[in-house]
Amino acid sequence: EVQLLESGGGLVKPGGSLRLSCAASGVSFRDAWMTWVRQAPGKGLEWVGRIKSESDGGTTDYAAPVKDRFSISRDDSKNMSFLEMNSLKIEDTAVYYCATGVPGWSFDHWGQGNLVTVSS
Amino acid sequence: DIQMTQSPSSLSASVGDRVTITCRASQIIYSNLNWYQQKPGKAPKLLIHGESSLQTGVPSRFRGSGSGTDFTLTISSLQPEDVATYFCQQSHRIPRTFGQGTKVEIK
Repeated sequence: EVQLLESGGGLVKPGGSLRLSCAASGVSFRDAWMTWVRQAPGKGLEWVGRIKSESDGGTTDYAAPVKDRFSISRDDSKNMSFLEMNSLKIEDTAVYYCATGVPGWSFDHWGQGNLVTVSS
Repeated sequence: DIQMTQSPSSLSASVGDRVTITCRASQIIYSNLNWYQQKPGKAPKLLIHGESSLQTGVPSRFRGSGSGTDFTLTISSLQPEDVATYFCQQSHRIPRTFGQGTKVEIK
């Protein structure tokens, strides 16, 4: 059974930084493309970005609102993906999910979500 | 970016009713369309991928159809456990984009 477990959320002031972690099990992590999706309170789903597997180049892609502020990385030796968030804004307040599935196709498996609140 | 527009934004139907949700893409996405179900306080769950392929374990009352720019999610006989918000998502281009969601309630 595939399990994704996020950690690292919490309250941060505008302009601050936070790093979310996503620990994966039950999946061939080395071949997995890891995606981050967020959901602001009471709103819909917003794709944040993804990192491909190392064998597919290990490259990253980001949504425009977070590009140059957020960074996705992975540690295949620990089966983990990370979302580094800098220069946080109030509008970044959301539940953040990590997800994976068929590479470049669908998000078959999701973490439980991790709330990030940006407030002074 | 590809815009995904769902309609309606919410609906209320009786148990046993046939429910239809539509999703329109702002450009052709072929069959690169997925549907997710999200229950309150939970993570989204993949229902249908590739426009019409049912994910393993999803009841057969869910059906996806369409291609190009216009897609439909149909629940053939609405059940109480289907109360949720449903999202479409395109996997044709980066950035991946979702529809705004359709909230389904029981009348």
